[in-house]
Amino acid sequence: DVKVTQSSRYLVKRTGEKVFLECVQDMDHENMFWYRQDPGLGLRLIYFSYDVKMKEKGDIPEGYSVSREKKERFSLILESASTNQTSMYLCASSSPKQGLGEKLFFGSGTQLSVL
Amino acid sequence: GEDVEQSLFLSVREGDSSVINCTYTDSSSTYLYWYKQEPGAGLQLLTYIFSNMDMKQDQRLTVLLNKKDKHLSLRIADTQTGDSAIYFCAESIGSSYKLIFGSGTRLLVRP
Repeated sequence: DVKVTQSSRYLVKRTGEKVFLECVQDMDHENMFWYRQDPGLGLRLIYFSYDVKMKEKGDIPEGYSVSREKKERFSLILESASTNQTSMYLCASSSPKQGLGEKLFFGSGTQLSVL
Repeated sequence: GEDVEQSLFLSVREGDSSVINCTYTDSSSTYLYWYKQEPGAGLQLLTYIFSNMDMKQDQRLTVLLNKKDKHLSLRIADTQTGDSAIYFCAESIGSSYKLIFGSGTRLLVRP
């Protein structure tokens, strides 16, 4: 069964802390994405990566950075966490070879609370 | 600009049909998708439709696409309590990697 695994289901951090959210996929997918989900706003794209060491900004990259050193792993970094970054973070992956536009496979999400 | 809109909430009785609606603004959409999110879980692809199709049926699910009005709908026949979830409409545009998601419709199925 295909899997996108996010390392933590719940995280509580303090303002100003550096936060790492990890995501691993086992499908050999080229593309990986980080979204945040907020009530009434749906999913908003933070960053995506279409290859190892490649990254592109999404719609709301401010306050975030990413790292993709290996194909299967995509990390989201909050350099200095702030309360407005309290949210559900969803990682997803896809492959252009599957020929279905962007059929995304999602992890179960990390609920981050910044106090 | 790119925008996908959905109503926020729908309540139906078990056994009835549910219809979840979505409107989008970009006429260059290539694929349109419906994702389902159950409580505490990520999103799961339910079904999709290519932009040159009008309708797609998959068991209890029927997707209708009206390109002229840029309107997409998802009909769930014989809705069950297990269908209670948030449903997201999404579009992909051209060869872009990016999906544009709606805000999600929370479906509540009453016994």
